[in-house]
Amino acid sequence: QKEVEQNSGPLSVPEGAIASLNCTYSDRGSQSFFWYRQYSGKSPELIMFIYSNGDKEDGRFTAQLNKASQYVSLLIRDSQPSDSATYLCAVDTSIIQGAQKLVFGQGTRLTINP
Amino acid sequence: NAGVTQTPKFRILKIGQSMTLQCTQDMNHNYMYWYRQDPGMGLKLIYYSVGAGITDKGEVPNGYNVSRSTTEDFPLRLELAAPSQTSVYFCASKSQGESKNIQYFGAGTRLSVL
Repeated sequence: QKEVEQNSGPLSVPEGAIASLNCTYSDRGSQSFFWYRQYSGKSPELIMFIYSNGDKEDGRFTAQLNKASQYVSLLIRDSQPSDSATYLCAVDTSIIQGAQKLVFGQGTRLTINP
Repeated sequence: NAGVTQTPKFRILKIGQSMTLQCTQDMNHNYMYWYRQDPGMGLKLIYYSVGAGITDKGEVPNGYNVSRSTTEDFPLRLELAAPSQTSVYFCASKSQGESKNIQYFGAGTRLSVL
């Protein structure tokens, strides 16, 4: 069973600070990693994906990947109240290229306090 | 351009009843997915399809069936509903082109089996 683990939180961060969200995965052969944001009662939306070891930045968001440690993280700089949501880590476990069979973690609930 | 449309939005079933959750997308996407999300948990893949006429099982296929006779539609069939199938069901689709990393989600169907 391929697993993705996240701390369910809640994680509380003051406005303007850096929020750090972490995720570990069990399948060492995984190649693609995704962060989805889900507001309460809404559907998930993709905010970042990463394939290569190291950092990938997009605006206030930075995804970090360490395949040797089987660890993915998401940093949110200058956190805003609108960032308050559940963040889902997902790992592509498909062997068919492009099929994107995602295994999700349980999500981390993030609250940004004004 | 409606994106991914799911119907119904809400449904209450009695134990043993059957129903079909509808999903249609107007983006000409090859890939389509069905997930379920239990309260406070991440998403679990039920079935997916890489194109019309081709479907495959995900993590939690038991108790469900799918078909994909057209590119646009990917209905999910529940036979003999059980309380364990109480969940929120999300349909998603993905292209194999420029935005191939992004799964677009429908608004979800909230199902209660009593």
